[in-house]
Amino acid sequence: DARVTQTPRHKVTEMGQEVTMRCQPILGHNTVFWYRQTMMQGLELLAYFRNRAPLDDSGMPKDRFSAEMPDATLATLKIQPSEPRDSAVYFCASVPKGSGPNSPLHFGNGTRLTVT
Amino acid sequence: QKEVEQNSGPLSVPEGAIASLNCTYSDRGSQSFFWYRQYSGKSPELIMFIYSNGDKEDGRFTAQLNKASQYVSLLIRDSQPSDSATYLCAVPNTGGFKTIFGAGTRLFVKA
Repeated sequence: DARVTQTPRHKVTEMGQEVTMRCQPILGHNTVFWYRQTMMQGLELLAYFRNRAPLDDSGMPKDRFSAEMPDATLATLKIQPSEPRDSAVYFCASVPKGSGPNSPLHFGNGTRLTVT
Repeated sequence: QKEVEQNSGPLSVPEGAIASLNCTYSDRGSQSFFWYRQYSGKSPELIMFIYSNGDKEDGRFTAQLNKASQYVSLLIRDSQPSDSATYLCAVPNTGGFKTIFGAGTRLFVKA
């Protein structure tokens, strides 16, 4: 059963440090999403890519967050410098190539980030 | 007004009862509607989707959609303790992939 793979599963870091989260979408999926989930805000869309090109990153704080998709098998989300308010679970999700805009998302297991 | 609104609950129902979860959305152009289930510490998983007005049934789950009222619901019949989870309503925006999630409704099914 194909799954979206995220690494690391857990990350604890100190404020000011750089954090990089990685996502490997399901083979054949060409649209990748980054979501952040907190108790207060729920699931928030940060950015998404199709065919490696960013389509929308309006949900992402630009001063410290950056998202890239260097190749079809890897998406990254970087926070530099990290702050305690960035503590959350970060989910990557993907949809298959050729899917219309109304397709369900396939989620990875998430990266639980704690910034102290 | 939030784009997708759900009652955060918690909603508590006895085993065997019908659980009713509700969601309203603001984008009148939205064409598809999804329900995801999320167990504590896990990722969301799709359980139902609906595109057309009316009801759609899948086993113990029924999704209901009323586009005129911008309302979508999920009914869980014969609720089981294993149904205890957070249920997320998700709505892609008009013409795009930007899927907005509601805050989720926590459901507890008491044995």
